[in-house]
Amino acid sequence: QVQLVQSGAEVKKFGSSVKVSCKASGGAFSSYAISWVRQAPGQGLEWMGGFIPIFGTPIYAQKFQGRVTITTDESTNTTNMKLSSLRSEDTAVYYCARGGDLFDSWGQGTLVTVSS
Amino acid sequence: EIMMTQSPAILSVSPGERATLSCRASQSISSNLAWYQQKPGQAPRLLIYGASTRATNIPARFSGSGSGTEFTLTISSLQSEDFGVYYCQQYTNWPPRYTFGQGTKLEIK
Repeated sequence: QVQLVQSGAEVKKFGSSVKVSCKASGGAFSSYAISWVRQAPGQGLEWMGGFIPIFGTPIYAQKFQGRVTITTDESTNTTNMKLSSLRSEDTAVYYCARGGDLFDSWGQGTLVTVSS
Repeated sequence: EIMMTQSPAILSVSPGERATLSCRASQSISSNLAWYQQKPGQAPRLLIYGASTRATNIPARFSGSGSGTEFTLTISSLQSEDFGVYYCQQYTNWPPRYTFGQGTKLEIK
């Protein structure tokens, strides 16, 4: 059974960057995709992108192209999501989830707060 | 982008009764639809994928149906632990443009 554990909450300034990590245990890390989904306060879910091993390259939602970078480190079973040029509307809980198109295991979520 | 519209926004159902949640896609997505349950302060949980296949360890009272643009999640006999917000998600695009509905909040009456 796959477990995903994310890094802790972050408070960031406008225009800066944030990196959220997601460490997997259980299962064969190199064989499954990890995606990132965010949720603004009181709002719904928004897919940001993911890393799918069979493609060997991350895929990003059009909305986040140029601002998000997803990397993976098989030596530590960790996937990282970096979001740059932060603005107030990026305040959200960021989740990693296993899967490239539908998501069957989720991390606990990481709250990122963007303020001036 | 495929838009997913859920109805109703809020649903109040008594324990033991049936709950029916709807999801509509702005264009055909075949059966590439998933349903998730989210409780306050928790991550979402996958309930249904392929429009009608229950995920691992999901009780049989949860069932999904539909194809094309119209989908339904039915909870046959509501239990108190079934409260929460339910989201549908389409995963049909290539390149990926996965989108979620805005959610239906299920309240226990």
